[in-house]
Amino acid sequence: SAVISQKPSRDICQRGTSLTIQCQVDSQVTMMFWYRQQPGQSLTLIATANQGSEATYESGFVIDKFPISRPNLTFSTLTVSNMSPEDSSIYLCSVQEPNRPQHFGDGTRLSIL
Amino acid sequence: SQQGEEDPQALSIQEGENATMNCSYKTSINNLQWYRQNSGRGLVHLILIRSNEREKHSGRLRVTLDTSKKSSSLLITASRAADTASYFCATDAWTSYDKVIFGPGTSLSVIP
Repeated sequence: SAVISQKPSRDICQRGTSLTIQCQVDSQVTMMFWYRQQPGQSLTLIATANQGSEATYESGFVIDKFPISRPNLTFSTLTVSNMSPEDSSIYLCSVQEPNRPQHFGDGTRLSIL
Repeated sequence: SQQGEEDPQALSIQEGENATMNCSYKTSINNLQWYRQNSGRGLVHLILIRSNEREKHSGRLRVTLDTSKKSSSLLITASRAADTASYFCATDAWTSYDKVIFGPGTSLSVIP
């Protein structure tokens, strides 16, 4: 299975700032996704990162707040913009090939003061 | 929403006992997956079961799928303290693109 490296693993940020999270995969993959996991909750899909085109966002998530890039088949970034305490969560990237298991990075634990 | 729902939300058992967790979903699926998440860690994939399969085994894990009832179960036999974790089911269905939707999860505590 693909090896996924996610950076940073954790960060503490000030309100109103932005943070970019990187996701690097050791092989080319078709599908890359970004999830949010709020404290004590399950995972919620933010968006599908599409290579070479704009990400596809789920209901409740918008590009201005969570801009995503995917310049190639092995790399994606998620930016959490203008952060507030409500954005304190674990952010996870994942990869999947059709009809294969989805695999996750270790996540980025984000705390906003 | 096709999000799965787990039952129970929390489960506490003694080491050596079996643990059963259930998952229900709303729409037709291609696959159903079970994941484990230890506290503060990433998700570990356990088993993927396809819509045309009814049962799969992996070590002490047994997963069943009943597409007529839109439900799945995860059985962990002879549980160990190391099985303490949150367990999530996740479903994917063909839309315009594949995506996986997670249920709320079951928090399992195995008491030594």
